[in-house]
Amino acid sequence: AQSVTQLDSQVPVFEEAPVELRCNYSSSVSVYLFWYVQYPNQGLQLLLKYLSGSTLVKGINGFEAEFNKSQTSFHLRKPSVHISDTAEYFCAVRRTTTGTYKYIFGTGTRLKVLA
Amino acid sequence: EAQVTQNPRYLITVTGKKLTVTCSQNMNHEYMSWYRQDPGLGLRQIYYSMNVEVTDKGDVPEGYKVSRKEKRNFPLILESPSPNQTSLYFCASSLRRGASEKLFFGSGTQLSVL
Repeated sequence: AQSVTQLDSQVPVFEEAPVELRCNYSSSVSVYLFWYVQYPNQGLQLLLKYLSGSTLVKGINGFEAEFNKSQTSFHLRKPSVHISDTAEYFCAVRRTTTGTYKYIFGTGTRLKVLA
Repeated sequence: EAQVTQNPRYLITVTGKKLTVTCSQNMNHEYMSWYRQDPGLGLRQIYYSMNVEVTDKGDVPEGYKVSRKEKRNFPLILESPSPNQTSLYFCASSLRRGASEKLFFGSGTQLSVL
């Protein structure tokens, strides 16, 4: 069975500091990987995704993530955060098997950017 | 404007009273799905649909029903709601083609079952 682990439920960080949000997954088959962001009282929006190719993926709002197959990780990073980045971030996986469209989400990490 | 529309936004009901949460998308997406979001548990998939008349269970389907009679609509039905179904519900849709894969989420429905 697949699972997604987001090790940190909350991450406080000062404005303009770098941040890394961790995501590890377990799966016996290859997967696609995603990061979604949820701003207060809104639905989720896609930040970035890894389907194939370069393991360093760049997304919106200056975020990037690196797929590490040997460590089964897909950590999200931003070199300098802003107050507006305060939100909840979800890592998700989906098996690459054709016809299978079950998404497994992590439990989320609340990023709190402090002035 | 491309969007996924859920209704209602808030719903308070009593145990056992059947309810339907509607979901509609205007992007001609083949794939649609329902999730519930609970504190500390993240999002869990309830049901999904690959296309019209094609639906399948997610991880927490018990107590829910869905139907996909038209491509744009994917309603979630609670035949006999119970308090443990109090949650925040999200509908999402996506194209199925590789590089275009991206879930578009609705604004959510906060359901309280008393």
